[in-house]
Amino acid sequence: NAGVTQTPKFQVLKTGQSMTLQCAQDMNHEYMSWYRQDPGMGLRLIHYSVGAGITDQGEVPNGYNVSRSTTEDFPLRLLSAAPSQTSVYFCASSYSSGEQETQYFGPGTRLLVL
Amino acid sequence: SQQGEEDPQALSIQEGENATMNCSYKTSINNLQWYRQNSGRGLVHLILIRSNEREKHSGRLRVTLDTSKKSSSLLITASRAADTASYFCATDVRESGYSTLTFGKGTMLLVSP
Repeated sequence: NAGVTQTPKFQVLKTGQSMTLQCAQDMNHEYMSWYRQDPGMGLRLIHYSVGAGITDQGEVPNGYNVSRSTTEDFPLRLLSAAPSQTSVYFCASSYSSGEQETQYFGPGTRLLVL
Repeated sequence: SQQGEEDPQALSIQEGENATMNCSYKTSINNLQWYRQNSGRGLVHLILIRSNEREKHSGRLRVTLDTSKKSSSLLITASRAADTASYFCATDVRESGYSTLTFGKGTMLLVSP
């Protein structure tokens, strides 16, 4: 199993550009989520999905869009990049039995917005 | 807002010593989890303790949970240089129908040889 994969590993954007961060998992997990990690801030939840076709907002959803058309994939879209979105982005997946079980994290995408 | 808060923010010890990190949280939880993050890497799950459990062990790790005080501690015994990492607590909270995991800001642990 590859686990949770993320692409790209690094990205530099100019303000106003859009892009999609890819996330895929091969563990047949229903629950997937996106976090951003900023220095001294821990991880903050952006969006999450409890299954194909079902998404919801987390703590910091503004400026981001998600969709879940398949169980395996959960892309995160930056609609119009801003310097405040410079961060490290982590995708995670888990088997959810109604409460959160162990989350498996991808290696992260490092994004710099100029 | 952050649900969990770790204490201390940073901890420096010698190999062989024990390391204790604490986590406090604000609302009722289903479970509490601890994760480790090596520099530049993703988070790795260490241990999960449910709200009806008080203590759990996994190898050199011991986790306690006190729901009356809304706090947890992670003890790493006989620490090694390879334990150098950031450690995060995460709480499982159900606020609006779905359960989500909320992370604290982490404790940076440095274990010197």
